[in-house]
Amino acid sequence: TQLLEQSPQFLSIQEGENLTVYCNSSSVFSSLQWYRQEPGEGPVLLVTVVTGGEVKKLKRLTFQFGDARKDSSLHITAAQPGDTGLYLCAGMDSSYKLIFGSGTRLLVRP
Amino acid sequence: SAVISQKPSRDICQRGTSLTIQCQVDSQVTMMFWYRQQPGQSLTLIATANQGSEATYESGFVIDKFPISRPNLTFSTLTVSNMSPEDSSIYLCSVEDKRTPHGYTFGSGTRLTVV
Repeated sequence: TQLLEQSPQFLSIQEGENLTVYCNSSSVFSSLQWYRQEPGEGPVLLVTVVTGGEVKKLKRLTFQFGDARKDSSLHITAAQPGDTGLYLCAGMDSSYKLIFGSGTRLLVRP
Repeated sequence: SAVISQKPSRDICQRGTSLTIQCQVDSQVTMMFWYRQQPGQSLTLIATANQGSEATYESGFVIDKFPISRPNLTFSTLTVSNMSPEDSSIYLCSVEDKRTPHGYTFGSGTRLTVV
């Protein structure tokens, strides 16, 4: 069974701080996605990374896919209260199913 | 991206009863996915629903407990049968969104509480 472990599980920071969330696995994925989920809503896709070593930027969010396509990171610069939510990484397995990570709950205090 | 309408958004049900959750998509899709998200947890895939064939269930999920219908390319239902408090979760449907490379779109979920 492919597993994706996220760390930290919970993060509470002050507005303006930077943070990094990690997503690690012993398995190789053909692609990896990051989602953000807010209470009462389904996950919303932020980005998909496909190539090992790939880096994508989305405003203050930087996503990186590991060279071996087993891990990924999400870095947020100057966090804002609107960034609060549950961040989920998800890897696409060989059957084109999404395997979700354990999740990181982020709270940005004003 | 695709737009998914999921109903009901929440329900409180008596143990032993069944609840059917509906998922309507604004475009035709080949595969629809049903997930469960237990309180404070991540998402676990229940089954994949293809139009015209039986759903494919993941380990730990069975058709008798979670029957799925997929009558056409824009609609699917998931029934949670003979409910117990352990079935209290958020249930979400998802589709592969062809308009977004490698993208998947999720419904807003059904928050189920079994008492």
